[in-house]
Amino acid sequence: DIQLTQSPSFLSASVGDRVTITCRASQDISSYLAWYQHKPGKAPKLLIYAASTLQSGVPSRFSGSGSGTEFTLTISSLQPEDFATYYCQQLNDYPRFTFGPGTKVDIK
Amino acid sequence: QVQLVESGGGVVQPGGSLRLSCAASGFTFGGHGMLWVRQAAGKGLEWVAYIRSDGNNQYYADSVKGRFTISRDNSKNTLYLQMNSLRPEDTAVHYCARYYDSGGASRYFDYWGQGTLVTVSS
Repeated sequence: DIQLTQSPSFLSASVGDRVTITCRASQDISSYLAWYQHKPGKAPKLLIYAASTLQSGVPSRFSGSGSGTEFTLTISSLQPEDFATYYCQQLNDYPRFTFGPGTKVDIK
Repeated sequence: QVQLVESGGGVVQPGGSLRLSCAASGFTFGGHGMLWVRQAAGKGLEWVAYIRSDGNNQYYADSVKGRFTISRDNSKNTLYLQMNSLRPEDTAVHYCARYYDSGGASRYFDYWGQGTLVTVSS
């Protein structure tokens, strides 16, 4: 199976900060990567797919980049509603769609 | 609008069985692959099982292979997860999610249910 790692695992930030989360794959997955936001007690929410395509309805402060084995999710100006855990997911190895371990974004 | 509603969670003893359901509405259920994902307390998301749109192919994580069975009834717009030989480590919130593939790298899970909690404990 393709393994994903995320860094950092935990991030403390303030409203208005620029936040970057990195996801690395154990092998080349081209652009087959999605990012999700997950809050306690809620359904995970799709933010980005195909590494850099913003899902409809997601604020433009979220952006994704990368290809191959290294990817980033950037929040340009952190808002109060953005405090959550973020997961990357690879969709190259159909249908073993593994997730990264997650990055928790907390309030500083 | 698209809705996925899980049910069937509860408390079961180790070695017991449970069947989860995911009722879908607002879209052509038979046109999409479906996924079960779980999250144990304090842990990340783990993909559990996937089934193709026609139900003819199923895939499982190694952690549940041989114990869990994913199935679907496209006439009832419902996805199932039959869980047998349950272990304490299966305790988790279980989510169902809809697969969407619009070509190229545009594959993703765009709709998720709210989850149902399975607790395996004596």
